[in-house]
Amino acid sequence: DIQMSQSPSTLSASVGDRVTFTCRASQSISSWLAWFQQKPGKAPKLLIHKVSSLESGVPSRFSGSGSGTEFTLTISSLQPDDFATYYCQQYKTYPWTFGQGTRVEIK
Amino acid sequence: EVHLVESGGGLVQRGESLRLSCAASGFTVSSNYMAWVRQAPGRGLEWVSVIYTSGTTYYTDSVKGRFTISRDNSKNMVYLQMNSLTAEDASVYYCSRILVEPTGWIPFDIWGQGTVVTVSS
Repeated sequence: DIQMSQSPSTLSASVGDRVTFTCRASQSISSWLAWFQQKPGKAPKLLIHKVSSLESGVPSRFSGSGSGTEFTLTISSLQPDDFATYYCQQYKTYPWTFGQGTRVEIK
Repeated sequence: EVHLVESGGGLVQRGESLRLSCAASGFTVSSNYMAWVRQAPGRGLEWVSVIYTSGTTYYTDSVKGRFTISRDNSKNMVYLQMNSLTAEDASVYYCSRILVEPTGWIPFDIWGQGTVVTVSS
């Protein structure tokens, strides 16, 4: 199975900050990587697929990059609505696997 | 507007069975890949199963032989039959869609609200 590892586990930041978090795959997943945002008690929401393709309706402050085994999600200017947990997910090979998540909390 | 609504969760004893349902609206399940993803309390997300338009199915190892994904095209529904439930299966179960486009797949673009499965020993 492909293991997905996210860092940091928790990130404390302020509104307006530029934040970046990392997702690493245990083997190459090419560009088959997605990012999801989840708020407490809610279903996840797809933000980005294929590393950097922004879903319709997702603010442009979100961006993704990377390839192979290392990927990043960047929020250019953190907004109050962005405090949530973010998961990466590979869909190159079954079983599809998620990272353990990065929780973005208010500093 | 596209929607997914799960139902069928509840409290069961260890070893019992449960069938989850997912009602789709705004699109047809027969023309899309559909999946189940679960999340144990306080834990991360875990892909469980997928069904292709062809009817081909895949499962995560921990549920193989116990869970079965299926769909009813006439009702526009997807199901997850879960047998021999264990404490490790206790989770919120989400139904989700996978878009297959010429440029590649878009995983889990829409999600239901989830249904809770609790397993008592």
